[in-house]
Amino acid sequence: DAKTTQPPSMDCAEGRAANLPCNHSTISGNEYVYWYRQIHSQGPQYIIHGLKNNETNEMASLIITEDRKSSTLILPHATLRDTAVYYCIVGSARQLTFGSGTQLTVLP
Amino acid sequence: EPEVTQTPSHQVTQMGQEVILRCVPISNHLYFYWYRQILGQKVEFLVSFYNNEISEKSEIFDDQFSVERPDGSNFTLKIRSTKLEDSAMYFCASSDRRDRGPSFYNEQFFGPGTRLTVL
Repeated sequence: DAKTTQPPSMDCAEGRAANLPCNHSTISGNEYVYWYRQIHSQGPQYIIHGLKNNETNEMASLIITEDRKSSTLILPHATLRDTAVYYCIVGSARQLTFGSGTQLTVLP
Repeated sequence: EPEVTQTPSHQVTQMGQEVILRCVPISNHLYFYWYRQILGQKVEFLVSFYNNEISEKSEIFDDQFSVERPDGSNFTLKIRSTKLEDSAMYFCASSDRRDRGPSFYNEQFFGPGTRLTVL
């Protein structure tokens, strides 16, 4: 079973920041937090990962709390094309365990 | 930008038939994976493959399934005798190896999937 808890759905206005939370209270010391997304039955797409520090790339930012028990994925300026299911994954890098994720709907 | 490709995009087969799903991973990647997603359900890990052997597999990956890297570019998933419940989208993924500090991490790049329909 997935080691993460995410809200099942969220809405965000186009152009606004989308903040997607994830709880992973049982994360162990060396486990990374990964974020993927899946747009309408396409293959999952890697977004970002982190261990302890906050991370940023061209797609998103990842904020990890100091105790590492939760994190937030931030899409700074959401577009309609960001509508997707977003998965927060903790655990084996070789064997991704997908949960149900958060369905993010970006509204015009 | 390099990408994982999969063929065919849709495969229809009769129950009991063998199917082979094909994948071309990103060329310099070392790790290869198969996942499946039954319609409306979660993405499920099947198997990982490294250095020409299976490194991890799930309970789903039973004796009916096998994987092979027959040449330097292709990675295949064979289902020997398909069942109705094998109908799903099958995703191939590949990754490079990254080591940083005490942990192993990687980013898996997924293909577009093959939709398998078993009748």
